[in-house]
Amino acid sequence: DAKTTQPPSMDCAEGRAANLPCNHSTISGNEYVYWYRQIHSQGPQYIIHGLKNNETNEMASLIITEDRKSSTLILPHATLRDTAVYYCIVRVDISNFGNEKLTFGTGTRLTIIP
Amino acid sequence: DAGVTQSPTHLIKTRGQQVTLRCSPKSGHDTVSWYQQALGQGPQFIFQYYEEEERQRGNFPDRFSGHQFPNYSSELNVNALLLGDSALYLCASSYRVSRIDIQYFGAGTRLSVL
Repeated sequence: DAKTTQPPSMDCAEGRAANLPCNHSTISGNEYVYWYRQIHSQGPQYIIHGLKNNETNEMASLIITEDRKSSTLILPHATLRDTAVYYCIVRVDISNFGNEKLTFGTGTRLTIIP
Repeated sequence: DAGVTQSPTHLIKTRGQQVTLRCSPKSGHDTVSWYQQALGQGPQFIFQYYEEEERQRGNFPDRFSGHQFPNYSSELNVNALLLGDSALYLCASSYRVSRIDIQYFGAGTRLSVL
């Protein structure tokens, strides 16, 4: 799996948009970008994923650059409950093993400031 | 619809002992993956079970073993516990649909080895 690079920490004011960057310059054509978050002492929570088009769901938006070497997760109106560690993961869609494992880095610790 | 459930939530063992952790997957899911998360680190993949067989394995010693039952639930066994096995153990379940599977995590079992 391609490696990802994320800033170790970020702050965002409550109510503002939180933009979390991720660099994945060695991504392959069959690899998707996934985002998970982990609130303190809980299991990781799936947020969103995409291949090359921008994606949006009820939680967030994912913007992937045209060359696919980087992406940004956007939380449009951050609340205190969005304080968590956010993981950007690059993962193949199919492998000989079936459902592919997730390879986590150390993520970005996002703190929402009241 | 219950999500992924893990038991117990907390466990204290001493060095050399053996431990069994349990996981019930989300309804409709047939694949279970286990992860170990040390303090301050991202989760690390241990192994994955599908159709009652180990399909993938991460870089963990043979002291770590598992099992999947016909109802898709799973157990993680760790023998000869070491202090370094102290961690949060996470179970994730998934089901392959349209070439993409989303792994959903339980809240984890926190294991302390004294």
